[in-house]
Amino acid sequence: EAQVTQNPRYLITVTGKKLTVTCSQNMNHEYMSWYRQDPGLGLRQIYYSMNVEVTDKGDVPEGYKVSRKEKRNFPLILESPSPNQTSLYFCASSLWGTTEAFFGQGTRLTVV
Amino acid sequence: AQTVTQSQPEMSVQEAETVTLSCTYDTSESNYYLFWYKQPPSRQMILVIRQEAYKQQNATENRFSVNFQKAAKSFSLKISDSQLGDTAMYFCAFMLGSSGNTPLVFGKGTRLSVIA
Repeated sequence: EAQVTQNPRYLITVTGKKLTVTCSQNMNHEYMSWYRQDPGLGLRQIYYSMNVEVTDKGDVPEGYKVSRKEKRNFPLILESPSPNQTSLYFCASSLWGTTEAFFGQGTRLTVV
Repeated sequence: AQTVTQSQPEMSVQEAETVTLSCTYDTSESNYYLFWYKQPPSRQMILVIRQEAYKQQNATENRFSVNFQKAAKSFSLKISDSQLGDTAMYFCAFMLGSSGNTPLVFGKGTRLSVIA
């Protein structure tokens, strides 16, 4: 089944403790991105990747890192999480030349 | 930069009735796509309908249809014969170009409640 898989789905952590949210897609998509969803703000792009080893900042990249060492994986790294990064996070992927984005199930992150 | 505005934070509709969700956007580009996404309580992002800017004909998907007014930069979603399962957050989104390698720009969302 074609899908985008995020892990974990829920995470509660403490300020400053490094964490990684994984994202994997099995559709051989070139384009992958991370969004955060906050009440009253909709979804905003954090980082994106056009292909392996090619990443760039989205609209709200501060406090986040990403890597794209393999085509299928695009982890989101929070080196030193802070409470303002408490949010719902989505990974999405799409095939070059198409406009349909496939979303993961979302990761609810709480930083205390 | 492109922006998307949804002016109705919350709406409600009686089951079997019709409801229209509003969306306006701002861009100086001519090649773009517009989308409506549904997010039920499960949080999954589900594509409801997609409109290509160069197509004048309004997109339809079963009970869902859009009213695309390119000159007015308006893209409203009409849900006919509303069902309880339509209860969800709805996001309007914009994508520049057609290559799939540009970000989706989302509105703030409209929470729709369908009442039995």
